[in-house]
Amino acid sequence: SQQGEEDPQALSIQEGENATMNCSYKTSINNLQWYRQNSGRGLVHLILIRSNEREKHSGRLRVTLDTSKKSSSLLITASRAADTASYFCATGYAGKSTFGDGTTLTVKP
Amino acid sequence: EAGVAQSPRYKIIEKRQSVAFWCNPISGHATLYWYQQILGQGPKLLIQFQNNGVVDDSQLPKDRFSAERLKGVDSTLKIQPAKLEDSAVYLCASSLLFSSYEQFFGPGTRLTVL
Repeated sequence: SQQGEEDPQALSIQEGENATMNCSYKTSINNLQWYRQNSGRGLVHLILIRSNEREKHSGRLRVTLDTSKKSSSLLITASRAADTASYFCATGYAGKSTFGDGTTLTVKP
Repeated sequence: EAGVAQSPRYKIIEKRQSVAFWCNPISGHATLYWYQQILGQGPKLLIQFQNNGVVDDSQLPKDRFSAERLKGVDSTLKIQPAKLEDSAVYLCASSLLFSSYEQFFGPGTRLTVL
């Protein structure tokens, strides 16, 4: 299956700390995407990293991709209470994206 | 720019009843997706349209689920008859092109089957 598997399932940190979540997958991909889901804004695309890229940044987000290990990580720096949400990775291949079951991040004020 | 619209937002039905969900994607987006998201899990793709043609419906339970995208714009997803295990949030998403991968999601319809 191309489905990404996120780790950990749940993460709780204090505001201002960094949060790291990981995604592993099993087959070839064209790209890997990260999404955030919370009750206020639904499911929102955060960042896409292509299979030939190793690292990508967007604001406080840093994504890495290691295709040899079939894994990706999402780092959120200087976390805020508003970052509390579920984060999903999705593997993209042949026009189709397959989602994992997510990491639930809680940022305590 | 208006986002993806879905209706209704909530629906409660008895098992064996029928239900339909509607989705209007972002204007100009060629690709439309329907996902099922069960509580505690990630979205699972049910069907993917490119304009008004089906690209992938391999995970759609075709004995009870059907979907159409007439004129390549808005879409409806129907369940007939519903089962208890169909209780979930049904998400519609759209993307500009088949190869875009960046998907824009609607707010979803929360279905409860009693």
